[in-house]
Amino acid sequence: AQSVTQLGSHVSVSEGALVLLRCNYSSSVPPYLFWYVQYPNQGLQLLLKYTSAATLVKGINGFEAEFKKSETSFHLTKPSAHMSDAAEYFCAVSPGGTSYGKLTFGQGTILTVHP
Amino acid sequence: DGGITQSPKYLFRKEGQNVTLSCEQNLNHDAMYWYRQDPGQGLRLIYYSQIVNDFQKGDIAEGYSVSREKKESFPLTVTSAQKNPTAFYLCASSWSGGPTGELFFGEGSRLTVL
Repeated sequence: AQSVTQLGSHVSVSEGALVLLRCNYSSSVPPYLFWYVQYPNQGLQLLLKYTSAATLVKGINGFEAEFKKSETSFHLTKPSAHMSDAAEYFCAVSPGGTSYGKLTFGQGTILTVHP
Repeated sequence: DGGITQSPKYLFRKEGQNVTLSCEQNLNHDAMYWYRQDPGQGLRLIYYSQIVNDFQKGDIAEGYSVSREKKESFPLTVTSAQKNPTAFYLCASSWSGGPTGELFFGEGSRLTVL
């Protein structure tokens, strides 16, 4: 069984400030981990993914995430927030193998960026 | 351009009516999925299909039905048995050649029951 917990349903930052969105996972097998972004009334777009290679993963739009097995965490960061980063962000876990695509999603974190 | 097309984007339905949401992909992906999204609940898996003419129930399949007659198409029918059908529905697909399970999503269909 696998699960994802995103700490904080809403996060608010000022433009130019650090963005930190928290994700903790539970998985009975080595996981594959993903961060997706969703803009209002649109589908989800992949930001980045961890597939057991480098533990620090760089994604699109300046985002990155670090896989920490000891903490079962995969937090998403961006050094300097931009107004266009305002969206909802989802962390997801996949057990891989024959269960590919059966992602389990967190509840989502809405990021607000203030001028 | 390759991608996933969902239609209609917005749909209104009266109680007791069945509705069908369309999902077409030209990514040549083997697997397709339907997720339901409700505010504050993330995405929940309704049905998925890994090959043509085969599909499996996800976590919340009650009140829904699907078919997979072609590789490119995976329509979802929301039946009158679904007690709370108002939601945002997302179709996705994935490549079966690797184990990571990365999903590609359509733009979604918003269903409102009046």
